[in-house]
Amino acid sequence: DSGVTQTPKHLITATGQRVTLRCSPRSGDLSVYWYQQSLDQGLQFLIQYYNGEERAKGNILERFSAQQFPDLHSELNLSSLELGDSALYFCASSAVRGVPEAFFGQGTRLTVV
Amino acid sequence: AQKVTQAQTEISVVEKEDVTLDCVYETRDTTYYLFWYKQPPSGELVFLIRRNSFDEQNEISGRYSWNFQKSTSSFNFTITASQVVDSAVYFCALTTNNAGNMLTFGGGTRLMVKP
Repeated sequence: DSGVTQTPKHLITATGQRVTLRCSPRSGDLSVYWYQQSLDQGLQFLIQYYNGEERAKGNILERFSAQQFPDLHSELNLSSLELGDSALYFCASSAVRGVPEAFFGQGTRLTVV
Repeated sequence: AQKVTQAQTEISVVEKEDVTLDCVYETRDTTYYLFWYKQPPSGELVFLIRRNSFDEQNEISGRYSWNFQKSTSSFNFTITASQVVDSAVYFCALTTNNAGNMLTFGGGTRLMVKP
């Protein structure tokens, strides 16, 4: 058990809909990262939050957004969903300072139909 | 820019064979960290090892061993006496202090261990 919790594990939704994925980081970790794993793009970094503030952005679509709350849990919001958004979405957490460790949650498998 | 290349997309071995998964990385930073993750069929990403750029000592953990060579920018992973349970996709990843711990992943190597 990595200590990172993601919900839900599976999500099936229709095109055009909006979903929210949730992540609780390991105890003490201030930094949360979101990654997308798709068949054609592999594992790609989407966005990072540190202690409530956006720290870095990767290949994240404008239809996607995220936030980190005061209790440090994070949500990834995906809107106007398209078939191509079907993927495994991972959350990872780490302590930014010092030696980096990145422990991943079990992922949310999103299927857009 | 950072890059990780795992040239072997798929490897198939018979149980008890040794297998080496290759990883080549590129970065301009002098301080960086290399990782290996295992993704079993269930889908989760399991952390296996982290290595920093200042520590070139090879590491062994049970049947797993890692060979880090800065001269060739490689961080290869060897499984000795493979088992069916080792069947998974293995990812090599890289991050640097300048990257804020964001991981750049290789494309992964699918390892199939047949009984």
